[in-house]
Amino acid sequence: GQNIDQPTEMTATEGAIVQINCTYQTSGFNGLFWYQQHAGEAPTFLSYNVLDGLEEKGRFSSFLSRSKGYSYLLLKELQMKDSASYLCAVRDSNYQLIWGAGTKLIIKP
Amino acid sequence: GAVVSQHPSRVICKSGTSVKIECRSLDFQATTMFWYRQFPKKSLMLMATSNEGSKATYEQGVEKDKFLINHASLTLSTLTVTSAHPEDSSFYICSASDGRDTGELFFGEGSRLTVL
Repeated sequence: GQNIDQPTEMTATEGAIVQINCTYQTSGFNGLFWYQQHAGEAPTFLSYNVLDGLEEKGRFSSFLSRSKGYSYLLLKELQMKDSASYLCAVRDSNYQLIWGAGTKLIIKP
Repeated sequence: GAVVSQHPSRVICKSGTSVKIECRSLDFQATTMFWYRQFPKKSLMLMATSNEGSKATYEQGVEKDKFLINHASLTLSTLTVTSAHPEDSSFYICSASDGRDTGELFFGEGSRLTVL
C-alpha cells in the first residue's frame, strides 16, 4: 500500500530551527509537496520537490532524496505564527496526491 | 497566486436536510477540482475528483448518492451533502490546480458543516 510517515507533533523555540521529516512509500513518484495548515483553515502551499536536493525559499527549505523515499522541511528563525500543522504529500504514478497525517508544530517563546 | 473561493465557510443544519457547498476558481479555469474531508487532527481525505462537464470520480468508500458533485463550468464545482446526519459533520475543503507543471493545489477556505 501507499504510505506517508511524518511525526505527529514537534515542539520548538521561537528563533530556533526545526526539521520536519517525511518518509514515503508510493506507487511511483511525481513530486513531493509541503503544505502549511493553521487550525481551522485550509492548507497553503509551501514547497514542491521533484528532483533530489534542497529547495530554499526564504526561511523555509525543503529537501528530497528519491532513492531514500525521504524529505524534510526546514524552518529557520522560527516565529510564533509558524505554529501550525505541516502536511507532506506525494504525487504517485497516477498523479494522485497521497497525504501524510501532518505534523503539528508548537512554537514556544 | 491563483485564488479559490469556497462558500459557505460555516453551516449548521438539521439532520435530514441537504447542504450545498460551492467552490469557485476566481482567476483561472480549473478543469479539475478536488473535494476533501478532514476530521479533527487528521489529514485530508480525498473524497472525489470533479471534472468539468463529466461525472465526478469518487474514492472508494465515498457514497456518490450521498455526496453529489457537480462541475458545471470551468470555474465552479459544488458538493451537496444529501440527507445530512450528525456523522457528516466535518471540515470540507475543495482545491484546484491552475494547470502549471508543479501541480500546486490552491485550496478554498474550507466549509465547517455541523449537522444537529
